[in-house]
Amino acid sequence: DTGVSQNPRHKITKRGQNVTFRCDPISEHNRLYWYRQTLGQGPEFLTYFQNEAQLEKSRLLSDRFSAERPKGSFSTLEIQRTEQGDSAMYLCASSLALGFETQYFGPGTRLLVL
Amino acid sequence: RKEVEQDPGPFNVPEGATVAFNCTYSNSASQSFFWYRQDCRKEPKLLMSVYSSGNEDGRFTAQLNRASQYISLLIRDSKLSDSATYLCVVNSYQKVTFGTGTKLQVIP
Repeated sequence: DTGVSQNPRHKITKRGQNVTFRCDPISEHNRLYWYRQTLGQGPEFLTYFQNEAQLEKSRLLSDRFSAERPKGSFSTLEIQRTEQGDSAMYLCASSLALGFETQYFGPGTRLLVL
Repeated sequence: RKEVEQDPGPFNVPEGATVAFNCTYSNSASQSFFWYRQDCRKEPKLLMSVYSSGNEDGRFTAQLNRASQYISLLIRDSKLSDSATYLCVVNSYQKVTFGTGTKLQVIP
């Protein structure tokens, strides 16, 4: 399967714990995006990378959130000291930065903070 | 005003009907536009890009009106399998904004 993959698919954690999610983009894609989606809403942009450089971060990305893409391939999103309000689907997408930028999404990681 | 606005629906239509969704955007400098489809508890999947000249893919037609800052999606001959949420996406200088989606339910 050469699509975007995300791990884990589901995560249940207790409030205050740290969690880390991984995204493996389509191999030739140089852009990688993280989104958060809650029920009844569209995906909300969190941050994106071009190769290993993090080029933009949303105001939604509080200091408890950090994302990395150390070698310009896979990316991780860490949430420290989780809160119940962090419960959501975390989606990763990748794209080629050429022309019209079509993003391809992974299956998401569904986080539940108890 | 939200950057990208969609009527959340739901639109309940019988099989075979034609249905249209609109999406308005606030940034006149927006560069590219897409419609994505999202099934319940699944990731969004690209349905089609939207070009100024309008484009068609089978039963689906997308239009862009830059003057009025909206895009539209027309679905002809609705199928049960078209039931999903349709997300409008607007790109502005590398900033990607999704609408909240319009839910479509096609009824037998």
